[in-house]
Amino acid sequence: ETGVTQTPRHLVMGMTNKKSLKCEQHLGHNAMYWYKQSAKKPLELMFVYSLEERVENNSVPSRFSPECPNSSHLFLHLHTLQPEDSALYLCASSPTDRVGGYTFGSGTRLTVV
Amino acid sequence: EDQVTQSPEALRLQEGESSSLNCSYTVSGLRGLFWYRQDPGKGPEFLFTLYSAGEEKEKERLKATLTKKESFLHITAPKPEDSATYLCAVQSYNNNDMRFGAGTRLTVKP
Repeated sequence: ETGVTQTPRHLVMGMTNKKSLKCEQHLGHNAMYWYKQSAKKPLELMFVYSLEERVENNSVPSRFSPECPNSSHLFLHLHTLQPEDSALYLCASSPTDRVGGYTFGSGTRLTVV
Repeated sequence: EDQVTQSPEALRLQEGESSSLNCSYTVSGLRGLFWYRQDPGKGPEFLFTLYSAGEEKEKERLKATLTKKESFLHITAPKPEDSATYLCAVQSYNNNDMRFGAGTRLTVKP
């Protein structure tokens, strides 16, 4: 257990479904991130939250909608996804915005059918 | 634009056979270079941060080194439990984002 917990671990959803991914950290970190990891491709940064404010949206389609209600929790709301959105979605945190090594969760394996 | 290239893509070693993984990078103003280990079905686990050319960091059988253009992750006398994907990432002063390479998948056979 790294201190960053992601649920669910696996998710299969149809293209018309709406689902949410959850991330929780109790490390006292002030920054949280969503990354997408596709097979044989580098991790892609999606969103950055610092002190509960979104500081970066890395040209992510609007079918992905993040939410950070407090410094310990981060959500990624999904709707009308495409099959190419199937990937491992990783949450990470760090003490301050983009400083130092990140602590990652184990990810949610998403399959869009 | 910052770029990170890792080689080889995959590496198979016998237990005890030392080798090195390479991470070549181009970045405008290096803030830090990071190494992570990722096991199947898990998120990346932070290993090292290197900040300036000439710096070295060690942890058990792993040693990371840094020059102005590349970093090496040396693995001495590896064991099967060292099998994992090793990721390199760079962070620049101009762009705070951590840019990752595609990784090297290491397999150590007993």
